[in-house]
Amino acid sequence: EAGVTQSPTHLIKTRGQQATLRCSPISGHTSVYWYQQALGLGLQFLLWYDEGEERNRGNFPPRFSGRQFPNYSSELNVNALELEDSALYLCASSSNTGDRHGELFFGEGSRLTVL
Amino acid sequence: QKEVEQNSGPLSVPEGAIASLNCTYSDRGSQSFFWYRQYSGKSPELIMSIYSNGDKEDGRFTAQLNKASQYVSLLIRDSQPSDSATYLCAVNKEGGYNKLIFGAGTRLAVHP
Repeated sequence: EAGVTQSPTHLIKTRGQQATLRCSPISGHTSVYWYQQALGLGLQFLLWYDEGEERNRGNFPPRFSGRQFPNYSSELNVNALELEDSALYLCASSSNTGDRHGELFFGEGSRLTVL
Repeated sequence: QKEVEQNSGPLSVPEGAIASLNCTYSDRGSQSFFWYRQYSGKSPELIMSIYSNGDKEDGRFTAQLNKASQYVSLLIRDSQPSDSATYLCAVNKEGGYNKLIFGAGTRLAVHP
């Protein structure tokens, strides 16, 4: 069974540009989560999507946005990039049943570098 | 006060010893608790989940939860060098919020 896949693996942008990151969840998982992990820092919750809807978001500005498609894949968009957006962006999926909400399966991440 | 707090370490233990990792959380409404392991340069992987007070054992790992004290811990018995990683405590508040909050992690180093 394929795990969570993310693309691209690496992305280099300049300040002010836009970045789009993509994620495909494990087959059968309807929930997709996005986290930011800046160098030396912990995982910061960005967004949660389930059944095509944004269900919750973390303390990030509106220039961080995304969507979930009918096949449950997701993309994260970061507009007006700033230097401090440089980080590893992790996507995770979970089965949205019972207590399993917190049992996340992570992809390998997309490393975004903003110059 | 951080929502989920962990000692950053490093926690250094000899091979074969018991490693004890601790975590406290601030929200009394938290319902479910998880430990993830993250090797350097890799993404986190789930190793334990615990939902009710008490102990839960899985192989060499034991998770302990005390909701009254807002405390969760992970014990690793017979520690191996391959256990050297950063261990992330994560706490979820249910009821539709479904926002899994991670601690900053404790770095564990198991030396031969």
